[in-house]
Amino acid sequence: EIVLTQSPGTLSLSLGERATLSCRASQYFASGYLAWYQQKPGQAPRLLIYHASRRATGIPDRFSGSWSGTDFALTISRLEPEDLAVYYCQQYSLSPLTFGGGTKVEIK
Amino acid sequence: EVQLLESGGGSVQPGGSLRLSCAASGFTFNTHAMNWVRQAPGQGLEWISSISDSATNIYYADSVKGRFTISRDNSKNTVYLQMDSLRADDTAVYYCAKDLYSVWPPDAFDIWGQGTTVTVSS
Repeated sequence: EIVLTQSPGTLSLSLGERATLSCRASQYFASGYLAWYQQKPGQAPRLLIYHASRRATGIPDRFSGSWSGTDFALTISRLEPEDLAVYYCQQYSLSPLTFGGGTKVEIK
Repeated sequence: EVQLLESGGGSVQPGGSLRLSCAASGFTFNTHAMNWVRQAPGQGLEWISSISDSATNIYYADSVKGRFTISRDNSKNTVYLQMDSLRADDTAVYYCAKDLYSVWPPDAFDIWGQGTTVTVSS
């Protein structure tokens, strides 16, 4: 099973700042089959990024994904109030599909 | 509009059963794999099962294998999750989710339902 470790657990930043969220995989998997989701309180998750770096339909370009080996990152270039949420990474390269534990983004 | 609507959640005693349904609309249902994901209270997301477009291929998480059964009826645009031998740690919000592309193995999940709550307690 591929274990995904997200860090930090909580990220507190000011509006307009850059946020970088990390997701580290326990083993290498090909093709960057990793997604990022945003979940706001009381809502279902929303797909932001798939295939590690492709933005989903309707996602603002301030969200971007990158990867190198087993390290994946989600970057929010300029934090907006509506970005308050928990962010999860997920790999869909191998079964069982797995999610990371999440990073909570707080606005200072 | 692409939409998923779950139903069938509720309260059940340990050892009991429930059948969740997820009705899909707004896309060609029979060309996409479908998935179930759950979220225990205050916890993160846990993938539990996926089924291919024709139901030929199925995956389960170890935590539900042998107790839960995923199925689909393409004539009704609906995916199901039969949950048997329920335990307290199955208490969660259960989401169904659609695969982004018409592929197998499962892809990223681009559309999610609003979730249905399952509570297992005596």
